[in-house]
Amino acid sequence: DTAVSQTPKYLVTQMGNDKSIKCEQNLGHDTMYWYKQDSKKFLKIMFSYNNKELIINETVPNRFSPKSPDKAHLNLHINSLELGDSAVYFCASSLQGGGSYEQYFGPGTRLTVT
Amino acid sequence: TQLLEQSPQFLSIQEGENLTVYCNSSSVFSSLQWYRQEPGEGPVLLVTVVTGGEVKKLKRLTFQFGDARKDSSLHITAAQPGDTGLYLCAGNNPMDSSYKLIFGSGTRLLVRP
Repeated sequence: DTAVSQTPKYLVTQMGNDKSIKCEQNLGHDTMYWYKQDSKKFLKIMFSYNNKELIINETVPNRFSPKSPDKAHLNLHINSLELGDSAVYFCASSLQGGGSYEQYFGPGTRLTVT
Repeated sequence: TQLLEQSPQFLSIQEGENLTVYCNSSSVFSSLQWYRQEPGEGPVLLVTVVTGGEVKKLKRLTFQFGDARKDSSLHITAAQPGDTGLYLCAGNNPMDSSYKLIFGSGTRLLVRP
């Protein structure tokens, strides 16, 4: 009965490869997010989708492409991986409206690019 | 660009001590949230404060939102080793309808037994 789940938990790959991270939420939320947490633990928003529509697209390289097949899923595809992409990537979800913006996070995917 | 500065960055205390973590900004936020993140896990929401001057208590944790809604504090009474973790404050810009949260720089707390 996991609320927000991500796969894989760990991902080790070489530079230049293409990889995907999947996220699913069963909370009935209509907004989902991708965050990147660097080695200093700073959490930065990358993308957000509301009902499959992109609403936040921060300054992220074009190599990163989110895809939302439905409002319960938000996947992140990364092309031509670089060393600097190594980080922990978190998926989160929230319910639009209400004004509180409370977000529920997945367990994270630790990406290591060698 | 809205920024949330947290202080201190690191805090190592003995079990039973009290502590306060601060979250400050020069900008006004509609609401402010506190999260705790343990190693290898995602942040977990602790509380949301919405009204200026609001105080909320969660067992030994007391959260306060500043009157001007630009700052917040988290006070822990009689800290326990289970309180160890990364504490993050996060707020949203009242002029931004995209539901984007701005996260603070984080405070790493270690409570020694």
